[in-house]
Amino acid sequence: DSGVTQTPKHLITATGQRVTLRCSPRSGDLSVYWYQQSLDQGLQFLIQYYNGEERAKGNILERFSAQQFPDLHSELNLSSLELGDSALYFCASSVQGLEEETQYFGPGTRLLVL
Amino acid sequence: AQSVTQPDIHITVSEGASLELRCNYSYGATPYLFWYVQSPGQGLQLLLKYFSGDTLVQGIKGFEAEFKRSQSSFNLRKPSVHWSDAAEYFCAVGGINQGGKLIFGQGTELSVKP
Repeated sequence: DSGVTQTPKHLITATGQRVTLRCSPRSGDLSVYWYQQSLDQGLQFLIQYYNGEERAKGNILERFSAQQFPDLHSELNLSSLELGDSALYFCASSVQGLEEETQYFGPGTRLLVL
Repeated sequence: AQSVTQPDIHITVSEGASLELRCNYSYGATPYLFWYVQSPGQGLQLLLKYFSGDTLVQGIKGFEAEFKRSQSSFNLRKPSVHWSDAAEYFCAVGGINQGGKLIFGQGTELSVKP
């Protein structure tokens, strides 16, 4: 158990819909990361937050948005869903969000878009 | 652009045999290098990481990896594989001025024969 929690574990929805994935970092960690794991794209970095502020951005679609709240939990919002958005979405956390730090991964949310 | 290549998609070894998983990276400066393991239905767990200093790094579960700058490689090794090592292994690179963003290889799936 990494100490990072993600809800829900599974999500099934339809194309065009909007969903919200939630992540709670390890106690004491200030930085949160979101990654997408799909069969065709592999594991891809989406976005990083540190203490409520966006720190780094990857290949995140405009239909996707994220935020980190004052209590440090984070939400990833996916809208206008397409079949290709079906993937495993991981959240990770680290203490200060520095490059050399270990990122602790949650168990993921598996999203299926039908 | 930075990239990570894991040439072997799937490897099968016998229990008790030695293991080497290959990882090559493309990066202008000295990167931060990581190996993570993903068991079925689980998140990613860090095995080991390299930033500087001794090029042979020891990790958890008896794994080690060697950084070879001349070959742009960071191969993962284990002298004697156990059945519980069956999982997917990911090499990742991070670096300066990227925040905490990690770039992952495509992964190598390890099967262990009894």
